[in-house]
Amino acid sequence: EVQLVESGGGLVQPGGSRRLSCAASGFTFSSYWMTWVRQAPGKGPEWVANIREDGSEQNYVDSVKGRFTISRDNAQNSLYLQMNSLRAEDTAVYYCVGDFSPQSGGIYFDAFHIWGQGTMVTVSS
Amino acid sequence: AIQMTQSPSSQSASVGDRVTITCRASQGIRNELGWYQQKPGKAPKLLIYAASSLQSGVPPRFSGSGSGTDFTLTISSLQPEDSATYYCLQDYSYPRTFGQGTKVEIK
Repeated sequence: EVQLVESGGGLVQPGGSRRLSCAASGFTFSSYWMTWVRQAPGKGPEWVANIREDGSEQNYVDSVKGRFTISRDNAQNSLYLQMNSLRAEDTAVYYCVGDFSPQSGGIYFDAFHIWGQGTMVTVSS
Repeated sequence: AIQMTQSPSSQSASVGDRVTITCRASQGIRNELGWYQQKPGKAPKLLIYAASSLQSGVPPRFSGSGSGTDFTLTISSLQPEDSATYYCLQDYSYPRTFGQGTKVEIK
């Protein structure tokens, strides 16, 4: 069964740190771009960061640059998100997402077809 | 960042109706757009990628069209299980950006 399972969420104080993990199974993890998407309570989804199949490229939304780090361990089929200097506005459900990156006409598209169940991060004192 | 604007923000329709949702990008994005369906308490689900390619397993009543700045998601015959919020997402440039969502309800 194709599956992504996030862990590591919880309550953290402003300015604190948290590391999210995502365990992949049922597909060739090392062949997928991976993404973190978050969703604040009652709001729409927000793309946070992604990482190339081999970990050689990472991209971030401006609001987390310098505070969050996405990484992966293909030997362990795992994705991570290290979150530092957390703020109240980082409160959200964080989803781990697999992108099978279909190609057409020389263009690689995002196609987020594998989603985890999400893990809630609450930043509050 | 590219802004994605969806309309309408909500829509109520009857079973069997044709439903159309639009998404406009603040700049041209070729056909680098996806559509996602989200039900309460669940993760989003991929419906369409590359503006018009139907994801495997998604019913053919869903279709996407458009290129450049204007895109459309169409549900040809609305079913009760289609009650959800729909989001567009551009993958032309970083950071990726979602539309604000369109809530579709069944009358």
